Amino acid sequence: QKEVEQDPGPLSVPEGAIVSLNCTYSNSAFQYFMWYRQYSRKGPELLMYTYSSGNKEDGRFTAQVDKSSKYISLFIRDSQPSDSATYLCAMRSFLQGAQKLVFGQGTRLTINP
Amino acid sequence: EAGVTQFPSHSVIEKGQTVTLRCDPISGHDNLYWYRRVMGKEIKFLLHFVKESKQDESGMPNNRFLAERTGGTYSTLKVQPAELEDSGVYFCASSPPGLAGVGWQYFGPGTRLTVT
Repeated sequence: QKEVEQDPGPLSVPEGAIVSLNCTYSNSAFQYFMWYRQYSRKGPELLMYTYSSGNKEDGRFTAQVDKSSKYISLFIRDSQPSDSATYLCAMRSFLQGAQKLVFGQGTRLTINP
Repeated sequence: EAGVTQFPSHSVIEKGQTVTLRCDPISGHDNLYWYRRVMGKEIKFLLHFVKESKQDESGMPNNRFLAERTGGTYSTLKVQPAELEDSGVYFCASSPPGLAGVGWQYFGPGTRLTVT
């Protein structure tokens, strides 16, 4: 079983729609949760960062973490064609020596004008 | 401020040959990471340097892979001899001392390696 599960999609929605992206995980030691956005032929770009449980909002983006359910979400409001990309969830353990990020497979998102 | 840079952007080699990938982290970032994504799979951790020391190399697949970071600046990842299953995109990431402990990593554009 993978430590992080993410539906690879593809997901296609009309412009202006609310997008919901999700990941589940199995490792209780994960304490830091990130969403990266990756455009084609580019490297992952850090989009949202959350520590432990709770919500974080940044413009049109909201990240949610529910540690009790081992479930994280990214919501995109008023989606734009420029949001079309692959979205990757990533997590890191609280253990000091374990700095590696564990990624989901990524969800390919297309916003149609 | 320049981001993480990687060279080459794309490399095509034959099975059995040697390839060396290079990563230049963001200036001042002591922490440097290598990751790899093979076709259809998730990005996976390979190893982590703190300055010139290997902090964690638990993700290195086998002894055909050799990573170095002389002087604590740029890093190289050598694959010798390359096998077909080594094909994929190799990403480098870096992090400053203050953010490494909380998982904040900046990624480069990746090197696409194709082994034929």
